[in-house]
Amino acid sequence: GAGVSQSPSNKVTEKGKDVELRCDPISGHTALYWYRQSLGQGLEFLIYFQGNSAPDKSGLPSDRFSAERTGGSVSTLTIQRTQQEDSAVYLCASSPRGRDQPQHFGDGTRLSIL
Amino acid sequence: GENVEQHPSTLSVQEGDSAVIKCTYSDSASNYFPWYKQELGKGPQLIIDIRSNVGEKKDQRIAVTLNKTAKHFSLHITETQPEDSAVYFCAARPNDMRFGAGTRLTVKP
Repeated sequence: GAGVSQSPSNKVTEKGKDVELRCDPISGHTALYWYRQSLGQGLEFLIYFQGNSAPDKSGLPSDRFSAERTGGSVSTLTIQRTQQEDSAVYLCASSPRGRDQPQHFGDGTRLSIL
Repeated sequence: GENVEQHPSTLSVQEGDSAVIKCTYSDSASNYFPWYKQELGKGPQLIIDIRSNVGEKKDQRIAVTLNKTAKHFSLHITETQPEDSAVYFCAARPNDMRFGAGTRLTVKP
């Protein structure tokens, strides 16, 4: 499909383990965003990429969270030493060029920490 | 930073009635205001957006109005249908996008 693709769609892991979440943006979109959505809540901004660089990391909640983007395309969000409060849906979005344009979202990865 | 408040948190209407969801924002520099619809198990989907140089925008049964002076904007859905049932999010953007907490709309057949 032509939309934003995220994998896995669901991830269950034990507390203390590391997890990697993947986002494949729409082809040609240079801007990529990660958000976190806790159950029944709104969207919490995590990080914004323009190309391979991240000019805004202000939303990352702790140093256990990191993200990278390679080749101006795929991005991975890594959570180290997971805690139960990390349980949430992690959403990725992309836009054609910058932050002043509509964002297109994937369906998210539902992360559950046991 | 920007703070977006959204009301109501839940809204139930009869099929065919209108639904209105309101949002306020705090940062006068915000210049882009999208609305998203999120169905269960899916990511948010953009349904309509408005920029700060426009006061109103309409797309079929959906319209958005913006009052820059009062710093509020609203989503209007007319002739509601059961498939309009979802969670709706407003957002405002000076730099990063700030989302409201969402409104769960239920349209009863």
